[in-house]
Amino acid sequence: SAVISQKPSRDICQRGTSLTIQCQVDSQVTMMFWYRQQPGQSLTLIATANQGSEATYESGFVIDKFPISRPNLTFSTLTVSNMSPEDSSIYLCSGSTGADTQYFGPGTRLTVL
Amino acid sequence: AQSVAQPEDQVNVAEGNPLTVKCTYSVSGNPYLFWYVQYPNRGLQFLLKYITGDNLVKGSYGFEAEFNKSQTSFHLKKPSALVSDSALYFCAVRGLGSSASKIIFGSGTRLSIRP
Repeated sequence: SAVISQKPSRDICQRGTSLTIQCQVDSQVTMMFWYRQQPGQSLTLIATANQGSEATYESGFVIDKFPISRPNLTFSTLTVSNMSPEDSSIYLCSGSTGADTQYFGPGTRLTVL
Repeated sequence: AQSVAQPEDQVNVAEGNPLTVKCTYSVSGNPYLFWYVQYPNRGLQFLLKYITGDNLVKGSYGFEAEFNKSQTSFHLKKPSALVSDSALYFCAVRGLGSSASKIIFGSGTRLSIRP
């Protein structure tokens, strides 16, 4: 299994600012993903983070709003840009190897005022 | 298109009784199925998975799930519930083809175990 950590664990931000969330995996994983989750709700996939190339975004999510980096097989960042209160959510990082299990980080709880 | 459904938003069980959390899926071909649990203010924890082989899969914390191809179901079960099992449970299916790398999650079922 993979152990995934995220920083920060939570943050309170002002409208119009940006926040970068870091995701670190303790072993190399083939795939990394970023999800958004409202408390008590299901997960919505934002994008697949591709190593060395642009991320693949799901419908409704764009690179200008959620730029993603993945410089190597164990690290990725998600930036939430020009934040509004609607961006308040839990952001989860996930990693997997091939078709096997996806493991999740503890999440970053973001509140935008 | 692949999809997974959890028909119950909430399941309430008395401690010591058996529990079942229901999940049905729709996918072309052989499914990869997963159960995850999320405790309050925590990330998702992997419980168990079905890829191939025995229809009854055993996982963490005494949970098991039964794959039923004819009913396209993958219900989560535990013979004797604990109060500490109270959490949010997600069933998931891996996509196929161009979506093979992505997991599709159900809406979640909140399990409440009363003492």
